[in-house]
Amino acid sequence: DAKTTQPPSMDCAEGRAANLPCNHSTISGNEYVYWYRQIHSQGPQYIIHGLKNNETNEMASLIITEDRKSSTLILPHATLRDTAVYYCIVRLGNTPLVFGKGTRLSVIA
Amino acid sequence: EAGVTQFPSHSVIEKGQTVTLRCDPISGHDNLYWYRRVMGKEIKFLLHFVKESKQDESGMPNNRFLAERTGGTYSTLKVQPAELEDSGVYFCASSPLLTEAFFGQGTRLTVV
Repeated sequence: DAKTTQPPSMDCAEGRAANLPCNHSTISGNEYVYWYRQIHSQGPQYIIHGLKNNETNEMASLIITEDRKSSTLILPHATLRDTAVYYCIVRLGNTPLVFGKGTRLSVIA
Repeated sequence: EAGVTQFPSHSVIEKGQTVTLRCDPISGHDNLYWYRRVMGKEIKFLLHFVKESKQDESGMPNNRFLAERTGGTYSTLKVQPAELEDSGVYFCASSPLLTEAFFGQGTRLTVV
């Protein structure tokens, strides 16, 4: 079972920042937080991951709380093409990713 | 660099037939994973290879499913005989050690 809790859906206006929350209160010290998204029926797309520190790449930023029990994925300027289901996953080493239901993000023009 | 490639993209077979799905991982990736998404359900893990060895096959639904990765390169997933409930999208992913996994575009299997 997934070790994370996410809201089932969110809306975001095009051009605005999308902030997707995730709770992972039972995360252990060596587990990373990963974010993936699935657009329509395409294969899941890797976005970003982190352990303790905040991370940023060309797609998004990941903010992890100091106690590591929750995190937020930030898409700084959401576009219509960012409409997708976003998955927050806690993972140890190279163990398989465990997908939950994710958050369905709808970017609205 | 080529990504994870899956063949075929779509397959329609009759109940009782055999189907073989293929996954070509990114070159040099030792880890290879198979997942499945049945309509309306979450993406579920099936099996994990490290090179040619099965590291974890706890997600394989039953003995009608057989995965192989001879030589530690491409992998095949055979379903024999196929049942209606096997319909879904089968995803393959690969990764180097201890880092993010990259997914293929999936094979949509329809059993009629």
